[in-house]
Amino acid sequence: AQKVTQAQTEISVVEKEDVTLDCVYETRDTTYYLFWYKQPPSGELVFLIRRNSFDEQNEISGRYSWNFQKSTSSFNFTITASQVVDSAVYFCALIINSGTYKYIFGTGTRLKVLA
Amino acid sequence: EAQVTQNPRYLITVTGKKLTVTCSQNMNHEYMSWYRQDPGLGLRQIYYSMNVEVTDKGDVPEGYKVSRKEKRNFPLILESPSPNQTSLYFCASSPTVNEKLFFGSGTQLSVL
Repeated sequence: AQKVTQAQTEISVVEKEDVTLDCVYETRDTTYYLFWYKQPPSGELVFLIRRNSFDEQNEISGRYSWNFQKSTSSFNFTITASQVVDSAVYFCALIINSGTYKYIFGTGTRLKVLA
Repeated sequence: EAQVTQNPRYLITVTGKKLTVTCSQNMNHEYMSWYRQDPGLGLRQIYYSMNVEVTDKGDVPEGYKVSRKEKRNFPLILESPSPNQTSLYFCASSPTVNEKLFFGSGTQLSVL
């Protein structure tokens, strides 16, 4: 069975600090996709990144970066020089590509960035 | 504007009174799905649809029904709502499975 674990329920940092949100996944399939979504206090869900299982390249987008490591089944998200606007709940998600097409989300990590 | 539209935004009902939450997308997406969000449990998928007339259960389908008679619409039906279905519900769509999800604004449902 597939599973996504976000062990950090809540993290608080002071503005300008770097912060890493952890995501550990479980699947026996070799083809799968991983995602990160952001849910700001306003409540909408916003896509951040998608990564397939064959692409282990790390990605950087401005202050955001993602580290995908198949060896440890992790897909961690780092925010550099955090800002108050980064305060949100962040979800990691997994979908496999064989037979069933269910999305499995983690329980989310609430990030509070203090001014 | 490309969007996923859910209605209503808020709904208060009583146990056993059938209700429907509508979801519509204007992007010609094939994949549509429903989720519920509960504190401490994150997002859990209720049902998904790969295309018209093709639906399948997610992780928490009990007590819910869906239909996909047209590509753009994917209503969520609660035939006999119970208090444990009080939750925040999201509809989402994507061009095909495995691509990024576009979410609706959510429906806060309270079942008394």
